[in-house]
Formats: sequence, C-alpha cells, structure tokens
Amino acid sequence: DTAVSQTPKYLVTQMGNDKSIKCEQNLGHDTMYWYKQDSKKFLKIMFSYNNKELIINETVPNRFSPKSPDKAHLNLHINSLELGDSAVYFCASSQGSADSGYTFGSGTRLTVV
Amino acid sequence: GENVEQHPSTLSVQEGDSAVIKCTYSDSASNYFPWYKQELGKRPQLIIDIRSNVGEKKDQRIAVTLNKTAKHFSLHITETQPEDSAVYFCAASPTDKLIFGTGTRLQVFP
Repeated sequence: DTAVSQTPKYLVTQMGNDKSIKCEQNLGHDTMYWYKQDSKKFLKIMFSYNNKELIINETVPNRFSPKSPDKAHLNLHINSLELGDSAVYFCASSQGSADSGYTFGSGTRLTVV
Repeated sequence: GENVEQHPSTLSVQEGDSAVIKCTYSDSASNYFPWYKQELGKRPQLIIDIRSNVGEKKDQRIAVTLNKTAKHFSLHITETQPEDSAVYFCAASPTDKLIFGTGTRLQVFP
C-alpha cells in the first residue's frame, strides 16, 4: 500500500493549457505539502495545508492553486502553463509539524512544450 | 527566513572510503535537521535525522553531527558502497516547513 501517492506520474502538455496533479496520503497525517524540484534538483516549498487549512503560500504565481478537500488529499491546479513550469512536483505529508519528518510521494514530472 | 547551504555539490569516492557532506543554516530557531537520499528518478527518502538537543546520532554506516553554536551539521557515510550513489539533501526546520539544501551528488566507484 503506497503511503503518499501522486497522479499522474508523467504529464506532457502544451503552453497555455490548464492541468491538475492529485495527491493522496493514507498515513493519517495532518499536514501536506507541495514542493517543486527544478532541473538542478533544488527542492523548493510551494504550499502546505494542515487539516484542509492553507498554512504556507510561498511566492508562487497565482496560476498555481492548491485545493484540499480533506486532510488526506491535496491537489494542485495550474492555469496557463508556461515553459518554466516544467519540473518534478513532489507532494509530501507529515504528522503535525514539519519536524516530525516528511514522507514524499513519487513525484509528477511535468513537461510543458 | 531560513537559508541552508550544502557542500560539496558533487562528491566522488572509491568503494570502501568515507564520504562527508556539510550543511550550514542561518535561523537559530531551527531545531530539526533531517537528511534525505534521492536515487535517480525516485522520491527523496529520509535516512537519518537529528534534533537540536543532540550532538551526534549514528545508524550503522551513517552518522550525523550537529554544532548548534556554529550552525552547521554534517552527514558521514563510512565504508561506502555503489548503492550509496544518489543525491543527498540536508534540511532544516525552523517551524512549519523543511528548507532544503541544494543537494550533493555522491558517486561511489567500485
């Protein structure tokens, strides 16, 4: 049973399109995160939710909108995709605060052409 | 906010040698310092962590040390094996998120 699962694993789309990435965790964790990993492997936080409530919203363009229907799910919707959005997007979860450690999902490789 | 620097960016060692990766952080409020290993095409996975009330922690061939005064922490891998080849990330947690270092690509040659 996968602890943190993301879909899809790969996503290739044209500039200007809108796409969504889904994340689900079955660990019973309270907090979920989205990170972006660029081509240089740098992991940068985008958002975090605790029990469906937005806690962190880093300086991310408004085209990115997270949604958490319940504490086990955190989805990421991206409008008007740009070439620079190409990256691997990782979902993660933790029990309570970040200092309990993260469990990462398997990642979604987004390629914008 | 917190800033984490990691060195070196690449590290090549011979099988059986030791490898050391160093990180520094800026926010004295950070109290949790995990290390993640990311194999090619895979997710980052936690390999060891240390909290600010501990100076050193060991788990078989890996160990982590923390110097709170100097705000730096290090990962030590002894008796390296080819399967240790991966990208390693340090991180620091001031409160509600992990801030990651820029990663170290470790290559272990047989």
